[in-house]
Amino acid sequence: SQQGEEDPQALSIQEGENATMNCSYKTSINNLQWYRQNSGRGLVHLILIRSNEREKHSGRLRVTLDTSKKSSSLLITASRAADTASYFCATGNAGGTSYGKLTFGQGTILTVHP
Amino acid sequence: GAGVSQSPSNKVTEKGKDVELRCDPISGHTALYWYRQSLGQGLEFLIYFQGNSAPDKSGLPSDRFSAERTGGSVSTLTIQRTQQEDSAVYLCASSLVDSPGQPQHFGDGTRLSIL
Repeated sequence: SQQGEEDPQALSIQEGENATMNCSYKTSINNLQWYRQNSGRGLVHLILIRSNEREKHSGRLRVTLDTSKKSSSLLITASRAADTASYFCATGNAGGTSYGKLTFGQGTILTVHP
Repeated sequence: GAGVSQSPSNKVTEKGKDVELRCDPISGHTALYWYRQSLGQGLEFLIYFQGNSAPDKSGLPSDRFSAERTGGSVSTLTIQRTQQEDSAVYLCASSLVDSPGQPQHFGDGTRLSIL
């Protein structure tokens, strides 16, 4: 079953604007990851934030994590048309085994208009 | 270097037939995962292999689904007596080891259509 709920389901913006996507989850996690998927392709890992971290940056990406609210957000600054894709959050198992068993959210479809 | 390779990229078959999907992970990656992506269900975990340990099969939807990983490298996902609800994109991923926070590297998937 899908643990993560993402909103919005779809986001349409102009090039240069910022895009913010949110993810909520239900159980205890070890880490939360964000992936990107271009149409017809596999997922590409973007950034990971551990449960003891609150914010992380990578280039134009900023991720926040609030474990008390069981939520995370992904901010893409100064968006480009090439950022058009689906974005998924994924949570890692907090148990002692099967660390790689990721549970994905439903995804946000981002469209950036040139 | 080479990424995760999946074959075939597309497969169309008739209901009731068996299908085999292949995944060739990144060389040296010990962990290998199968996921299914469909419109109604999103991305679902199916099964994963870590080294010589017993695979975690907890996501397989029925006993028609099975997977093996020979020699710790290539993996095959087999679906027997296919049903129309099996239509989906089957994604394979690998990671260096099975530890918290390891990024997974995905192939482009096999799009399976059951007529």
